[in-house]
Amino acid sequence: DGGITQSPKYLFRKEGQNVTLSCEQNLNHDAMYWYRQDPGQGLRLIYYSQIVNDFQKGDIAEGYSVSREKKESFPLTVTSAQKNPTAFYLCASSLRQDNQPQHFGDGTRLSIL
Amino acid sequence: GIQVEQSPPDLILQEGANSTLRCNFSDSVNNLQWFHQNPWGQLINLFYIPSGTKQNGRLSATTVATERYSLLYISSSQTTDSGVYFCAVSAGYSGAGSYQLTFGKGTKLSVIP
Repeated sequence: DGGITQSPKYLFRKEGQNVTLSCEQNLNHDAMYWYRQDPGQGLRLIYYSQIVNDFQKGDIAEGYSVSREKKESFPLTVTSAQKNPTAFYLCASSLRQDNQPQHFGDGTRLSIL
Repeated sequence: GIQVEQSPPDLILQEGANSTLRCNFSDSVNNLQWFHQNPWGQLINLFYIPSGTKQNGRLSATTVATERYSLLYISSSQTTDSGVYFCAVSAGYSGAGSYQLTFGKGTKLSVIP
């Protein structure tokens, strides 16, 4: 079945450690996105990529980095510079056109040890 | 940037009751989606509805783009309808960032037996 796979479902980070969240899609979508959700809040955009080897900062990019070497993959690294990384992270993808819905993965919950 | 307001923030219903959730947005949009986030955090696409009316079973949605609002109707509510309902929009102009969704803070629905 086509879809978006995020892994792992749960992740724990030690102080000063970088961690990488995986997002893979087999929908042949050009655009991919990373969102962060804090408890009781809506989603906020971290980074997005419209094509391979190109990506743009969203509203809350500080302390995060991404890469887009393949169309199917858009990993997110939470660096040690992100002082409050505990959150629920959701990846999405869409066709790179106007009037196209975004489809979401099941998310990764990141916590600090 | 575009602003999205959802109301009410919380809603408690008796099983079998009907409800209407509202989403107001501050600018013209080329994408509007309604999502249901279940207790496990999964974000489920309900409707892609930048304008017009759609129905899917007990759920229906209407967007009046010229008046900048959308409504989600839930009829004969069931306990499985519980969760948070999000409205998300992207602005109706081209350029970098035009595909990013801006989310409202959601309506938390609790359906009690």
